[in-house]
Amino acid sequence: AQKITQTQPGMFVQEKEAVTLDCTYDTSDPSYGLFWYKQPSSGEMIFLIYQGSYDQQNATEGRYSLNFQKARKSANLVISASQLGDSAMYFCAMREANDYKLSFGAGTTVTVRA
Amino acid sequence: DADVTQTPRNRITKTGKRIMLECSQTKGHDRMYWYRQDPGLGLQLIYYSFDVKDINKGEISDGYSVSRQAQAKFSLSLESAIPNQTALYFCATSEAGPEGETQYFGPGTRLLVL
Repeated sequence: AQKITQTQPGMFVQEKEAVTLDCTYDTSDPSYGLFWYKQPSSGEMIFLIYQGSYDQQNATEGRYSLNFQKARKSANLVISASQLGDSAMYFCAMREANDYKLSFGAGTTVTVRA
Repeated sequence: DADVTQTPRNRITKTGKRIMLECSQTKGHDRMYWYRQDPGLGLQLIYYSFDVKDINKGEISDGYSVSRQAQAKFSLSLESAIPNQTALYFCATSEAGPEGETQYFGPGTRLLVL
């Protein structure tokens, strides 16, 4: 069964606007971590933000914030004030406490327009 | 200097050849991983190692082998390359910890098997 689902293959956003990338996950493990990574066209995987399953507050890192809704099993990434350099593929990933690998979604391509 | 380096960055080889991809890290992390990414997809775990004497198979280990030469070095070998091993290969590292341990990725190696 798919553990991470990203339903938006691609999105366009105007420069300086905010964009929300959807991510839903499936796990029966009460302890897990959720991650977002950015993959620009150059190919590297860049860690953006982390949310633990027991964290009470939504994670934030600069212009990135994670909208964590545990009951709905969703972990959406919000990028505020989009910049041209934000154009990339974005992956949602999860690691369960009883596993060692990251399970990745299929990714969402974001294109920022000037 | 990058914390996680991979060599080579690009490689073209022929079916049946043996090749090695190398990964080095200066982050001082104990845990190291090898993933592959196929076009348009997320990452899949090939092998992982929690220390020099610990090697474990991931989701897709068939056709691959690894060697953990030191805490900082983790190599991936394709004993007899085949075209469907054409992919982008990532090495990653993390500290030992709970579910929230973040994995940090190298820049990737693009492998083409003809």
